[in-house]
Amino acid sequence: SQQGEEDPQALSIQEGENATMNCSYKTSINNLQWYRQNSGRGLVHLILIRSNEREKHSGRLRVTLDTSKKSSSLLITASRAADTASYFCASYEDLGGKLIFGQGTELSVKP
Amino acid sequence: NAGVTQTPKFQVLKTGQSMTLQCAQDMNHNSMYWYRQDPGMGLRLIYYSASEGTTDKGEVPNGYNVSRLNKREFSLRLESAAPSQTSVYFCATSRQDYSNQPQHFGDGTRLSIL
Repeated sequence: SQQGEEDPQALSIQEGENATMNCSYKTSINNLQWYRQNSGRGLVHLILIRSNEREKHSGRLRVTLDTSKKSSSLLITASRAADTASYFCASYEDLGGKLIFGQGTELSVKP
Repeated sequence: NAGVTQTPKFQVLKTGQSMTLQCAQDMNHNSMYWYRQDPGMGLRLIYYSASEGTTDKGEVPNGYNVSRLNKREFSLRLESAAPSQTSVYFCATSRQDYSNQPQHFGDGTRLSIL
């Protein structure tokens, strides 16, 4: 069964603004990952945060994880038109070791 | 470096036809996966292979079979295609299963079944 739920489903912002996407999951996890998918392409791994970490940065990306609320957020700062894509969270279950994907947030960054 | 290569990129089938989707990787990864992506459903795991010689069912295995031919190749077969199998299929790899390793994806096979 799908574990991740993402919010919002779609987000439209202007270039230079920040974009925040949220993800919730249901069971105990080992880690949570974020992926980007450009139109017509496969998913590309962005960042992985382990269950014992609360925040992680990679360039313009900032990910937080709150295991008590079973939620994570992805912040993209100073967005660019090239950031236009769908973003997926994926939680790695403690039991069973499977990567469970959310339904994704479609981000549109207008120049 | 090609990474993960999927063939074909597009395919149209008639109901009841069979076909095999191919996936090959040059990343020397042990684990390989097949997902399907449908609108509003995210990605769902069909089958996976933790290592050469092993395969296991995922969330939605019905109507599919897989073969881990060798370390590089993992194929997905539809024996009797149904319209409900119209989807985009992605192959992915990771260094090993049950680990903190990210997955690497091919660009997908877009399959339509009429």
